[in-house]
Amino acid sequence: GAGVSQTPSNKVTEKGKYVELRCDPISGHTALYWYRQSLGQGPEFLIYFQGTGAADDSGLPNDRFFAVRPEGSVSTLKIQRTERGDSAVYLCASSLNKAGEGGADTQYFGPGTRLTVL
Amino acid sequence: ILNVEQSPQSLHVQEGDSTNFTCSFPSSNFYALHWYRWETAKSPEALFVMTLNGDEKKKGRISATLNTKEGYSYLYIKGSQPEDSATYLCASPRDDKIIFGKGTRLHILP
Repeated sequence: GAGVSQTPSNKVTEKGKYVELRCDPISGHTALYWYRQSLGQGPEFLIYFQGTGAADDSGLPNDRFFAVRPEGSVSTLKIQRTERGDSAVYLCASSLNKAGEGGADTQYFGPGTRLTVL
Repeated sequence: ILNVEQSPQSLHVQEGDSTNFTCSFPSSNFYALHWYRWETAKSPEALFVMTLNGDEKKKGRISATLNTKEGYSYLYIKGSQPEDSATYLCASPRDDKIIFGKGTRLHILP
C-alpha cells in the first residue's frame, strides 16, 4: 500500500514569506508526528496529533509555526514570516496508534520536505 | 531535559567487517527504544522497537540489544556490505514526544 507522502519535496522561499508543508499519512493511522532535521542533527520533535487534535505541540519553536489536521488524515505544517534559521528538512511520520509512551507502534516516515529560506 | 546520545558520530568500516555502535538514554520512566536506518535521499526506515530489558532483536545481519537498567542499546552489523551505508538513529518515546539521538553515520569502505 501507499506509504507516507509529503509535498513539496523541495521548497525554496524568501525570508519573510509564508509556507505550507503537507503530509499524507498512511490510511488508517491515527497518530501523526512532525519533525525538523537540521544538518548534523537528529530529527527534532515538533508536534504530535492523535486524530484531529494536537496532543503535544511543545516542540514548535515559536508562534510562527502552526500545524493542523482537520479531518484526522492529511496534516499541514504552516510557517509564517520564514527566517533563514527555519531552513531544514521537515519530516512527517505516522503510526497506527500512538508511538510515544503508552504505545510502542512503529512510525513510518515520509521522504521529507527540504525547506530553504534565502 | 531528556538526552538521547549516540556514539560514535561517524564510523568507517571495511566491507566484510562487523561493527557496532551505541545509543544511551535516561533509564528512568523508560517505555521503548526505536532504531531507524536513514539512507541518503530516502525516508527513515524502522529497524526495531524494543521494550523489555534484555531484549535482543535480529533482522538479517543486523541485531540490537537493550539494557533498560543502565540505559543503553547496542546495534550490531555483521559482515558489513555497501548497502549498509546510512545514518542509524535511535529514539526514545517520552510522554507524547519521541526524542531522537543525532545518529551514527556509517560508511562502508570497498
